[in-house]
Amino acid sequence: DTAVSQTPKYLVTQMGNDKSIKCEQNLGHDTMYWYKQDSKKFLKIMFSYNNKELIINETVPNRFSPKSPDKAHLNLHINSLELGDSAVYFCASSQGGGAYAEQYFGPGTRLTVT
Amino acid sequence: GQQVMQIPQYQHVQEGEDFTTYCNSSTTLSNIQWYKQRPGGHPVFLIQLVKSGEVKKQKRLTFQFGEAKKNSSLHITATQTTDVGTYFCAGGAAGNTGKLIFGQGTTLQVKP
Repeated sequence: DTAVSQTPKYLVTQMGNDKSIKCEQNLGHDTMYWYKQDSKKFLKIMFSYNNKELIINETVPNRFSPKSPDKAHLNLHINSLELGDSAVYFCASSQGGGAYAEQYFGPGTRLTVT
Repeated sequence: GQQVMQIPQYQHVQEGEDFTTYCNSSTTLSNIQWYKQRPGGHPVFLIQLVKSGEVKKQKRLTFQFGEAKKNSSLHITATQTTDVGTYFCAGGAAGNTGKLIFGQGTTLQVKP
């Protein structure tokens, strides 16, 4: 069984569109994250939720809005997509939200904005 | 903001050669984690170091945490083609919100 899953795996869309990425984990973890990995493979944390509460909110354009309906799900909605949003977006989960928690990553969603 | 620097960015080795990647922080870290990302894959947790001067081994991989808890290294002995991928260190800043700061990663290529 897949521990952390994301849909879709690939997303190609035009500038100005709105899109969502979904993430689900079946590990029973209480913390979930969104990371952005750019073309140079740099991994940058965007958001983190612990028990559905937002605990990390990095300097991310407010076009990005995360939503956690329950502990097992964390979605990412992006409005008015821009070329610079093209990247791989990884969802991750952990038990406990601290820096000591081992993070489990999903397979990633490759977003291409044209 | 806090940064974790990782060098080198790329490394090409012949199979059987050793490989080392280094991770440095300007501030004291509470802990350091290492992840491996295979080409086209996702980061996978390898290990965590917490204590000053700590050394841990996993088969051919040796992980070290500096005495001042500001640097770390990953050494692979006698590389194999299965070691190909990008290795990330991720440090937790002492006293912060619990956020892990990832280094830029070192991409390892192994020639058979």
